[in-house]
Amino acid sequence: SQQGEEDPQALSIQEGENATMNCSYKTSINNLQWYRQNSGRGLVHLILIRSNEREKHSGRLRVTLDTSKKSSSLLITASRAADTASYFCATDAGGAQKLVFGQGTRLTINP
Amino acid sequence: SQTIHQWPATLVQPVGSPLSLECTVEGTSNPNLYWYRQAAGRGLQLLFYSVGIGQISSEVPQNLSASRPQDRQFILSSKKLLLSDSGFYLCAWSPQGANSGNTIYFGEGSWLTVV
Repeated sequence: SQQGEEDPQALSIQEGENATMNCSYKTSINNLQWYRQNSGRGLVHLILIRSNEREKHSGRLRVTLDTSKKSSSLLITASRAADTASYFCATDAGGAQKLVFGQGTRLTINP
Repeated sequence: SQTIHQWPATLVQPVGSPLSLECTVEGTSNPNLYWYRQAAGRGLQLLFYSVGIGQISSEVPQNLSASRPQDRQFILSSKKLLLSDSGFYLCAWSPQGANSGNTIYFGEGSWLTVV
């Protein structure tokens, strides 16, 4: 069953703009992760935020987590064409040794 | 450093034929291992995961099976492929840990087209 659901499904913006993607989940979590997938490739881990954290930064990435709303957002600032990819959130399904991924957001950065 | 390899990268198989996708991890011991499937333009579906040799958990009923004959080897199989088995298959691993806050590391994937 799907745990995380990303919104929007697709996002197209101009280079230099900020991109915001959202993720909602259903059950309690210990942590939430964001991954990136270039077309036809494997996924690459971007950032992990724990349930007791509200915000985390890594370079141009900013992740927030609201456990009361069971939601997270990923913000990419000053987007670049190379940021074009699909972005997925994943949750640990309440402590199990597995990650459950959402459907992803397809981000297109137009030069 | 740890690496993960899966093969073949692409394959085209007729309906009813068998399948074997193989994945190996190097540079670590006793990893958690996973098989995911991704339909075109869709999210990832967890198929199987394993926390040790011979220990396989199936997430979705289907005509696929998984085996872990060695600590760092994970195999996805089918005796008879269906058209609906077409997709992008991803092997992944994570460190065996006391908590679930472990990053998952993915292979490059295997494209399967059943014709």
